[in-house]
Amino acid sequence: RKEVEQDPGPFNVPEGATVAFNCTYSNSASQSFFWYRQDCRKEPKLLMSVYSSGNEDGRFTAQLNRASQYISLLIRDSKLSDSATYLCVVHTGRRALTFGSGTRLQVQP
Amino acid sequence: DAGVIQSPRHEVTEMGQEVTLRCKPISGHNSLFWYRQTMMRGLELLIYFNNNVPIDDSGMPEDRFSAKMPNASFSTLKIQPSEPRDSAVYFCASSLYGVYEQYFGPGTRLTVT
Repeated sequence: RKEVEQDPGPFNVPEGATVAFNCTYSNSASQSFFWYRQDCRKEPKLLMSVYSSGNEDGRFTAQLNRASQYISLLIRDSKLSDSATYLCVVHTGRRALTFGSGTRLQVQP
Repeated sequence: DAGVIQSPRHEVTEMGQEVTLRCKPISGHNSLFWYRQTMMRGLELLIYFNNNVPIDDSGMPEDRFSAKMPNASFSTLKIQPSEPRDSAVYFCASSLYGVYEQYFGPGTRLTVT
């Protein structure tokens, strides 16, 4: 079983839609969680950290469910510029960071 | 402000040749990471330095790969000899806070024929 698993998508949504991605992790000792964004043929960029109590940054909301070992990312009012691959990232302490394979989002006009 | 700088941006080489990838981290950052990304395996951590010292090299595929960080502003990843399966995008990232808030360079696209 992979340490971090994501639905590869693609998720095709119209502008203005709300879309959510989930990511599951296998190591219950995982300490920290992040979402990174990667545009096509570009480098990954940190989107947001995920805190135990959940956190919001503008149109983006991240949630952590330790009991079920998953994290989620919700994007409200999708923009064309949100089209990218979203990488779920987990820090277990044993390795620096483990990246999921990513979920591709395509926002359509 | 300059971000993480990587060179070359593209490298095409023949199997068996030595390849050296270079990275200049963001000034003041004390952690540096080398990653490899392929369609099949996604983004994989190869090695992680903290204050120029290798902390975790368990992701280095085999002895053909080696990485050095002689000072706080420069690191190299060397592959000798290169093989076609080494073809990938190699990213360098740096951070001020250990594994958190990593800033990635633009990557080096390596093709081994």
